[in-house]
Amino acid sequence: GENVEQHPSTLSVQEGDSAVIKCTYSDSASNYFPWYKQELGKRPQLIIDIRSNVGEKKDQRIAVTLNKTAKHFSLHITETQPEDSAVYFCAASPYSSASKIIFGSGTRLSIRP
Amino acid sequence: GAVVSQHPSWVICKSGTSVKIECRSLDFQATTMFWYRQFPKQSLMLMATSNEGSKATYEQGVEKDKFLINHASLTLSTLTVTSAHPEDSSFYICSARPLEVLDEQFFGPGTRLTVL
Repeated sequence: GENVEQHPSTLSVQEGDSAVIKCTYSDSASNYFPWYKQELGKRPQLIIDIRSNVGEKKDQRIAVTLNKTAKHFSLHITETQPEDSAVYFCAASPYSSASKIIFGSGTRLSIRP
Repeated sequence: GAVVSQHPSWVICKSGTSVKIECRSLDFQATTMFWYRQFPKQSLMLMATSNEGSKATYEQGVEKDKFLINHASLTLSTLTVTSAHPEDSSFYICSARPLEVLDEQFFGPGTRLTVL
């Protein structure tokens, strides 16, 4: 089955700087890669996703890159703000009618004022 | 659109009792729903895939007789934690996928279970 590894587990950046979170996956059949932001006691919130037919996707300050050959994908947050502080999870899923989403271990991002 | 609800949002029960958690897709139909468990400061771990009209598929290490799943309609799945013990205390989150979507899932708000 799919295994998703995520690094780093914690990340502290100065407000205004960029943050990068990296993930690797094991199942070459995976072709949907969502990223979630989770605040304490809340549900995961989808912030961006990418499918395997593209290598990069950007939405304002957030971008995701995907390297299918290396089975790597990364989240980039630019111009970080205090409200970006949260736990971020990467995930991977094969594209099928019953496909399940497997989560990485999470990154606790802290933005220093 | 694509709203998923869970009930209850939190529950406290005594050890040995059973607890039922409901997951509903409010504005779409879902043949597939998923149940996750999240312990403090850990990731979401998939417990099982709930299939409308058929048996659930459990992940390795999840006891199907302890975590009973019923997906009786296209908008409702239930998870029953039977004979709950303190180690079952966790945050349980469901997700659902609309019929016409093959990848994105929509998450419920979660249920905090505390077993005394």
